[in-house]
Amino acid sequence: GAGVSQSPSNKVTEKGKDVELRCDPISGHTALYWYRQSLGQGLEFLIYFQGNSAPDKSGLPSDRFSAERTGGSVSTLTIQRTQQEDSAVYLCASSLDMDSRFEQFFGPGTRLTVL
Amino acid sequence: RKEVEQDPGPFNVPEGATVAFNCTYSNSASQSFFWYRQDCRKEPKLLMSVYSSGNEDGRFTAQLNRASQYISLLIRDSKLSDSATYLCVVNIQYGGSQGNLIFGKGTKLSVKP
Repeated sequence: GAGVSQSPSNKVTEKGKDVELRCDPISGHTALYWYRQSLGQGLEFLIYFQGNSAPDKSGLPSDRFSAERTGGSVSTLTIQRTQQEDSAVYLCASSLDMDSRFEQFFGPGTRLTVL
Repeated sequence: RKEVEQDPGPFNVPEGATVAFNCTYSNSASQSFFWYRQDCRKEPKLLMSVYSSGNEDGRFTAQLNRASQYISLLIRDSKLSDSATYLCVVNIQYGGSQGNLIFGKGTKLSVKP
């Protein structure tokens, strides 16, 4: 079956511009997570959505970062006024629900480069 | 102190070797433990859960030592295809919160012919 998909696969932008990253989770998965992975670093949790509950935004590094999940499916991560330190691979994952959060299925990621 | 710490490696081993990785976690409230595998420039994938009594999946054995707060992964009879970065993952639950997964930076393994 189809896995988690993300777009774009690569994004190069100029400092100060806004970017939108998209994630399409596995059909039927109610939990969706965003992480970022910088070079040589571990996965850094950003935000998760579970069904219709309020998202857990505790990992967002600044108010320039926001995310939405419309209709309980597709999610968009928005970074406003990008900075060079935002350069990283942004990974989206989904799981069947929060009880199944230990097995998260990851998308291929969006590699963001801020010049 | 990082919540989850791993030796970044790389561990360079010949085919057929046995190799072991350790991971330490700082929060004694950690409740669940896992190993994920991430191939070069690919996404992470769950390799196995780690149970208190230790568990085995083919050539892979995972163990947990709660007293010393470390987790280990043992790979026997290494294959070229085992070359990857192995991520130690911990789940910490607070009160009624289900908690999030906390990923280590990973240990890189390179198996040579």
